[in-house]
Amino acid sequence: GAVVSQHPSRVICKSGTSVKIECRSLDFQATTMFWYRQFPKKSLMLMATSNEGSKATYEQGVEKDKFLINHASLTLSTLTVTSAHPEDSSFYICSARDLRETDTQYFGPGTRLTVL
Amino acid sequence: AQSVTQLDSQVPVFEEAPVELRCNYSSSVSVYLFWYVQYPNQGLQLLLKYLSGSTLVKGINGFEAEFNKSQTSFHLRKPSVHISDTAEYFCAVSDDSGTYKYIFGTGTRLKVLA
Repeated sequence: GAVVSQHPSRVICKSGTSVKIECRSLDFQATTMFWYRQFPKKSLMLMATSNEGSKATYEQGVEKDKFLINHASLTLSTLTVTSAHPEDSSFYICSARDLRETDTQYFGPGTRLTVL
Repeated sequence: AQSVTQLDSQVPVFEEAPVELRCNYSSSVSVYLFWYVQYPNQGLQLLLKYLSGSTLVKGINGFEAEFNKSQTSFHLRKPSVHISDTAEYFCAVSDDSGTYKYIFGTGTRLKVLA
């Protein structure tokens, strides 16, 4: 089946630093990847849509300068949280759309970010 | 605009009993419907999906769901649950406009009791 990985699974950083999270589709190519944020016991909030070779499309209310997204290849998208603050602490999940199954998103295992 | 409603935030059920998790959606266009399961501190795993064709969809782990267009519902069912089914379940809708975005419901926590 389609497998998506995320790295790191857990990261703790100091306030003001930047953190990069990687999302990889391991056994398929993905022209589109999505980044979500999930608060405790809440649903997933779509942050942005990442398209290979072009700029990401951000959802309303998401700061594009704070959450930098790069989708440099068909198997890799990165989310960089710049100048992180404690309120950025959250569970970040990516998903990838399989080119062969354009309707279905496959999700990564998530990254737990804690900003001190 | 599309929306997804999962009316039950929590569903407790005894082991080996049947369960139904409800999902209703609203959309003015044709939709694709999905159910995902999330175990603690993990990502989402696809249980099943409805794209077209037969309205009864069978998924993994013994789950099935029925698409009912007139009632705009896509309820998830399992005839006999196990302790290991304890998890959060999310219903999602994706339109066919080409954006491939999902709208998620708020989730239902299924707790299977011994």
